[in-house]
Amino acid sequence: AQKITQTQPGMFVQEKEAVTLDCTYDTSDQSYGLFWYKQPSSGEMIFLIYQGSYDEQNATEGRYSLNFQKARKSANLVISASQLGDSAMYFCAMRDHFQGAQKLVFGQGTRLTINP
Amino acid sequence: DGGITQSPKYLFRKEGQNVTLSCEQNLNHDAMYWYRQDPGQGLRLIYYSQIVNDFQKGDIAEGYSVSREKKESFPLTVTSAQKNPTAFYLCASSKLGQGMNTEAFFGQGTRLTVV
Repeated sequence: AQKITQTQPGMFVQEKEAVTLDCTYDTSDQSYGLFWYKQPSSGEMIFLIYQGSYDEQNATEGRYSLNFQKARKSANLVISASQLGDSAMYFCAMRDHFQGAQKLVFGQGTRLTINP
Repeated sequence: DGGITQSPKYLFRKEGQNVTLSCEQNLNHDAMYWYRQDPGQGLRLIYYSQIVNDFQKGDIAEGYSVSREKKESFPLTVTSAQKNPTAFYLCASSKLGQGMNTEAFFGQGTRLTVV
């Protein structure tokens, strides 16, 4: 069975600093995808970044990058130059299967607070 | 604008009553999903559907039922058999993955409280 572990319940960071949110995963599948979602206090889940298990380069999307270390089964999210609007819950998730439904397994989340 | 609409945003239910949560999408996605989120927890999959008139149980389907009569709609019924229904419910949709890079889009959620 797939499992996602996020070991940081809460993180506090000064504005403009970089922050790394940890995510480790467990799966016996060779093909899988890893996602990060942001959940602001309003509740919706906002997709941030995706990394495929066969992607050789780390994914980047603007200020977000994913530090993918396959041998360690880790997929940490790095946010550069943090902003007050980055304060939210962040969830790491994974899926298997190349085709079909996107059944996601989520971690417990990390609450990120950006201080001015 | 394309997106997913969940209604209502807040819902109160008396014990022993069934209640239906609405989810509509105009993204032309084939797949739709229902997740449950408890305080301080991640999301858990209740049901999902890949095609009209077909759906499969997720990890925590007991006490819930769904239907998929139209591609755009995937309502969730929380039945009286669900022992602890107070939670935040999120609906999502996605393309059927032809590769791995097809993210799911989420609605704004319905917060259900049993009183």
